[in-house]
Parts: sequence; structure tokens; C-alpha cells
Amino acid sequence: AQTVTQSQPEMSVQEAETVTLSCTYDTSESDYYLFWYKQPPSRQMILVIRQEAYKQQNATENRFSVNFQKAAKSFSLKISDSQLGDAAMYFCAYRSALETSGSRLTFGEGTQLTVNP
Amino acid sequence: EAGVVQSPRYKIIEKKQPVAFWCNPISGHNTLYWYLQNLGQGPELLIRYENEEAVDDSQLPKDRFSAERLKGVDSTLKIQPAELGDSAVYLCASSFMGGSAGDEQFFGPGTRLTVL
Repeated sequence: AQTVTQSQPEMSVQEAETVTLSCTYDTSESDYYLFWYKQPPSRQMILVIRQEAYKQQNATENRFSVNFQKAAKSFSLKISDSQLGDAAMYFCAYRSALETSGSRLTFGEGTQLTVNP
Repeated sequence: EAGVVQSPRYKIIEKKQPVAFWCNPISGHNTLYWYLQNLGQGPELLIRYENEEAVDDSQLPKDRFSAERLKGVDSTLKIQPAELGDSAVYLCASSFMGGSAGDEQFFGPGTRLTVL
């Protein structure tokens, strides 16, 4: 079974600064997808960024980028130019690419990000 | 485009009572998921539907939990009887062409259940 670990329960950053959230995972599969989701206090989970394991290039979405290290099974999220609206719980998630595994997402424990003005 | 709708948003019941949650997925999404999110933890899948068929319910406690997705659109998740440990947020999500490569799951706001 796959596991996802987020070792930082809480992180804080000054507005306009950069912060990196860590995530490691364990799997025996070679093909899979990794995600970062954001969950603001309203609780609606929103997809931030997605990475396909077969792609070597790190995914980027505006101020959000990832550092995907497949051999190390590491998938960190970097938020540049942090904004107050970035404050939320961030979840790292894994999904197998195998059809037999379906589309089940396995989530980490989450990192609560605080943005200080 | 309307998002995933869930109701109620909050529910408080006494233990041993029944409770039901309702979810309306995004129009056209054939795959629907119910997740359980305990306080301070990430969501865990309870059940996944492809159209009206439950294709992954291995994590659903079938002695007290049941779910249905009639006509492959709306879904209801039921707990009977509820226990104190069922207090959590119940999230519904939907996607198009579930099981395919990297299709995005869209989440609803969740129902926060408190069992007294």
C-alpha cells in the first residue's frame, strides 16, 4: 500500500516571501501521479498542482512549483511571493496510474500554512 | 459551472441515531467519491462510484455505513446507528472518466458531523 508523509504540521511565511512544504511518499509502483491540494478554512479542497511521475520536468502553476525527486520519493511544493490568500491546509496526495487501482487518492496528514502580513 | 454540492453543511446528532448526507456532483461527472476526513488529518476514501456502480468500497464500514447513487447522479451516504467516533467531515468529490490518467477530482465543501 502507498503512504504519504508530510513532516511539517505547521509552517509560516511572511507575505511576499517564499515557502517550501515537504512531502515524501512510499510506493513500489513506477507510474503514478502526485498532487498538492489546498483546503482553506471553508473546507473546499482545491487542486493546486499536479505532477506525472513519468515526466522529469517539474510542474509549475504561476507562483506554485514543485521539486519532484523520483528516486528519493520526494515531492515538495514551493510557493513564491506568498499572499494572504495562500493561508490554508495543504495536502500532498498520491494516485496510482494502474487501472486496477482506480482513482483513489492517498493523502498525507497536511501542513497548516500561515501567512503573516 | 456549478461545483459539487453537499448538504447539510453541519449536522449534530446523538449517538445511535441515523444520519444521511447528500451529494450532487458536477454535471457530466460519471465518477463520485465519498471521503472521510478526521480532524487534523487528510481525507480517506470510503467509496467510489462509476456511474451507479460502487467499484471501490473496501474502506466502507458496511455494518453501519451504506451508500447509494441512483441513476448515476446524486448520491446519499448513510450511517445507522451513528457512534461517537463517526464525528468527522464527510467530503464528496466527483471527476470525469474516473480511473483514467490524472483526471482531477473536484471536492464539495463537506458535511461536518458531530455525534454527542
